[in-house]
Amino acid sequence: AQSVTQLGSHVSVSEGALVLLRCNYSSSVPPYLFWYVQYPNQGLQLLLKYTSAATLVKGINGFEAEFKKSETSFHLTKPSAHMSDAAEYFCAVTYGGATNKLIFGTGTLLAVQP
Amino acid sequence: SAVISQKPSRDICQRGTSLTIQCQVDSQVTMMFWYRQQPGQSLTLIATANQGSEATYESGFVIDKFPISRPNLTFSTLTVSNMSPEDSSIYLCSVDPGTGTYGYTFGSGTRLTVV
Repeated sequence: AQSVTQLGSHVSVSEGALVLLRCNYSSSVPPYLFWYVQYPNQGLQLLLKYTSAATLVKGINGFEAEFKKSETSFHLTKPSAHMSDAAEYFCAVTYGGATNKLIFGTGTLLAVQP
Repeated sequence: SAVISQKPSRDICQRGTSLTIQCQVDSQVTMMFWYRQQPGQSLTLIATANQGSEATYESGFVIDKFPISRPNLTFSTLTVSNMSPEDSSIYLCSVDPGTGTYGYTFGSGTRLTVV
């Protein structure tokens, strides 16, 4: 079955430190992968997506992610955390096909300490 | 990317009643999806709604509880029927324009509280 696993339901970093949020997918077929951010009491905003083009994907707000097929991973990084990055981050996957349904990971709550 | 208007944004409902959530898209889209986000949790897909066909429900969700309509390519409704406090969640609609760009867009969500 399609799935993504996010390691770490809570991640805390200091302002200015590296942000690393982990996402692994399970499949033998090429996936399409996404990272979304959800600020408190708000909807979902797309940060970036991988759709089989460049393996290093740059998104909004300084975030980027690298698709590594050998590791079945799509980890999200940002070189320097900002207080405004505090939010819930969701990794999601689809495998295309007839339904194109998007399946979400369990989410990672990022806290940024001053 | 498509713009979605979802209504209502929030509601407080009595147990045993039903609530219909509307999702209006500013362009024609092939696929629409309905998700539930329970408090403090991730998004769970309820069903996929394609125009002109019956919605396809995920495991654990049934049509009697969550009937869906998709009368045209820009509109869909989700009804939460015979509600109980366990139905208190955020419900979101999403669309995939079907252009192969995988540009999923989400509505702002309906925050439902059942008392």
